[in-house]
Amino acid sequence: SQQGEEDPQALSIQEGENATMNCSYKTSINNLQWYRQNSGRGLVHLILIRSNEREKHSGRLRVTLDTSKKSSSLLITASRAADTASYFCATVHPNDYKLSFGAGTTVTVRA
Amino acid sequence: DAGVTQSPTHLIKTRGQHVTLRCSPISGHKSVSWYQQVLGQGPQFIFQYYEKEERGRGNFPDRFSARQFPNYSSELNVNALLLGDSALYLCASSLSLDRTYGYTFGSGTRLTVV
Repeated sequence: SQQGEEDPQALSIQEGENATMNCSYKTSINNLQWYRQNSGRGLVHLILIRSNEREKHSGRLRVTLDTSKKSSSLLITASRAADTASYFCATVHPNDYKLSFGAGTTVTVRA
Repeated sequence: DAGVTQSPTHLIKTRGQHVTLRCSPISGHKSVSWYQQVLGQGPQFIFQYYEKEERGRGNFPDRFSARQFPNYSSELNVNALLLGDSALYLCASSLSLDRTYGYTFGSGTRLTVV
């Protein structure tokens, strides 16, 4: 079973627009991570946010975390065609090291 | 430096057969994890190894087994294959058992069971 749920399941935007996707999870966490996957291949780590952090930036990515609501959001600003991919959130429990993934959001950026 | 290397990239097997998937972590990384990703879903944790010892096991049947070698490479074995085992199998490596950093994934092995 999946730990988290991403919303929306799919997102289609125009190049240059911003893309926002959300992740909700069920248990307490040590950290939450976002990964990108192109065409069903390997996952690429994008960003990690710890449970005591509320916001983090990396380039065009902005991640927020609300542990009281057990939710996180990923914002991609000024999207490019190369951002077309599936995006997954994954949580790490405080007593564990494994990643528990959601079902992912598929983002399509139209040129 | 090479990233995480998985072999083979694609594999077709018949129901009931056995399969071995291989993973070489990034040089210096001592932890290897395996994940199964069925089409349209997120990856599911199968095993984690660190320093050649099993450190975690997901909710998979005993048909699934794994091991880590002295050079930190790893094998995932699946016996008595079922159609439902068709999936992308991903290997992830990390320097140690550390929650500070994310994992580096290989490109996966696409297993099709017919």
